[in-house]
Amino acid sequence: EDQVTQSPEALRLQEGESSSLNCSYTVSGLRGLFWYRQDPGKGPEFLFTLYSAGEEKEKERLKATLTKKESFLHITAPKPEDSATYLCAAGGGSQGNLIFGKGTKLSVKP
Amino acid sequence: EPEVTQTPSHQVTQMGQEVILRCVPISNHLYFYWYRQILGQKVEFLVSFYNNEISEKSEIFDDQFSVERPDGSNFTLKIRSTKLEDSAMYFCASTMTGFNQPQHFGDGTRLSIL
Repeated sequence: EDQVTQSPEALRLQEGESSSLNCSYTVSGLRGLFWYRQDPGKGPEFLFTLYSAGEEKEKERLKATLTKKESFLHITAPKPEDSATYLCAAGGGSQGNLIFGKGTKLSVKP
Repeated sequence: EPEVTQTPSHQVTQMGQEVILRCVPISNHLYFYWYRQILGQKVEFLVSFYNNEISEKSEIFDDQFSVERPDGSNFTLKIRSTKLEDSAMYFCASTMTGFNQPQHFGDGTRLSIL
């Protein structure tokens, strides 16, 4: 069965304290690994797509990496505005329907 | 920047009633999706739609659910006879070229069944 698992469920950081979020996946016929940010009461906001092991993508304080079984979202020197739930999703199925993890709720304190 | 819009933002309905959730995908996108998120749980795939027909659906998407693209801009999800367990956030998403491309999501409709 296709599955995506994220850890930790919640992460509290001080402003400037770097850390990583983990996403492990077992998906047959992976059609991309996607990271989204979700703010309360909002829909998922697209951040990155990774397609092959070894690939890396960066955007401001965020960097996403991919191996054959896991993806990591590295947050460097986070700010309070980075506080959100970060969702990992694997693309599968014939039309790329997304299989989501439960998310990591990140809180960054000033 | 183009975005996916969903209406209403919140829908309250009595159990057993029909409800229609509406979405306007990004204008040049061709593939459309519905997902739901029950409070505290994962976002779950419901259905994908391309070229005016369902491409794929999950086990959740039973005979009580239907989707339609009634015109060139709207994409709707209908639940014929709502149940308490249908209470959730429903998200619409679209993408230009289908699989392996990022899906862009609306802000959802919160459906509350009484």
